[in-house]
Amino acid sequence: SYELTQPPSVSVSPGQPASITCSGDKLGKKYICWYHQKAGQSPVLVIYQDNKRPSGIPERFSGSNSGNTATLTISGTQAMDEADYYCQAWDSNTVVFGGGTKLTVL
Amino acid sequence: EVQLVQSGAEVKKPGESLKISCKASGYSFTSYWIGWVRQMPGKGLEWMGIIFPSDSDTIYSPSFQGQVTISADKSINTAYLQWSSLKASDTAMYYCATFSLVGATSRFDYWGQGTLVTVSS
Repeated sequence: SYELTQPPSVSVSPGQPASITCSGDKLGKKYICWYHQKAGQSPVLVIYQDNKRPSGIPERFSGSNSGNTATLTISGTQAMDEADYYCQAWDSNTVVFGGGTKLTVL
Repeated sequence: EVQLVQSGAEVKKPGESLKISCKASGYSFTSYWIGWVRQMPGKGLEWMGIIFPSDSDTIYSPSFQGQVTISADKSINTAYLQWSSLKASDTAMYYCATFSLVGATSRFDYWGQGTLVTVSS
């Protein structure tokens, strides 16, 4: 079965850019989306189709996907961006989630 | 405004059955898939399955096939997740979410608030 691998944690200082990666075999040939989940809340879609932002998601969120790695980038990270982040893809009639990355803003 | 309102928290004993619900509003219920996602305490998101309410076409995760049943009643815009015999390991938060699937692109657009299921003797 297809697997997506994320680093368990990423730390960033306020105002600095944060990058969260998601790796999988030939991932660049698939479409990826990203969710964030703040403590005690439901997940929220922040990027879909590799690099598109849903309505209401700030412009500081962007995405890319090439080769075996997709990357979610948050420019000018804010304290409110502290959350768990999950990547997700569709493969062989299956939804695949990455294991999640805890983003800490300190 | 799209809304998914899930049924309330449940406390059950091992071996009991359970059916939780997800009522949709604000969009055409029969035009989009609805999915279920499990989140065990302190853990990540796990996909359980999706259903297309128009014809009840259902795709299960291999990990959950045979363990749960996903259904939908399009007359009342509601999707369901049910267990016939709960185990302690079913203790988790369960989310429903609308699922867009177009070609190779997919995403869960809107999420319910979650239903906490606790299974304990």
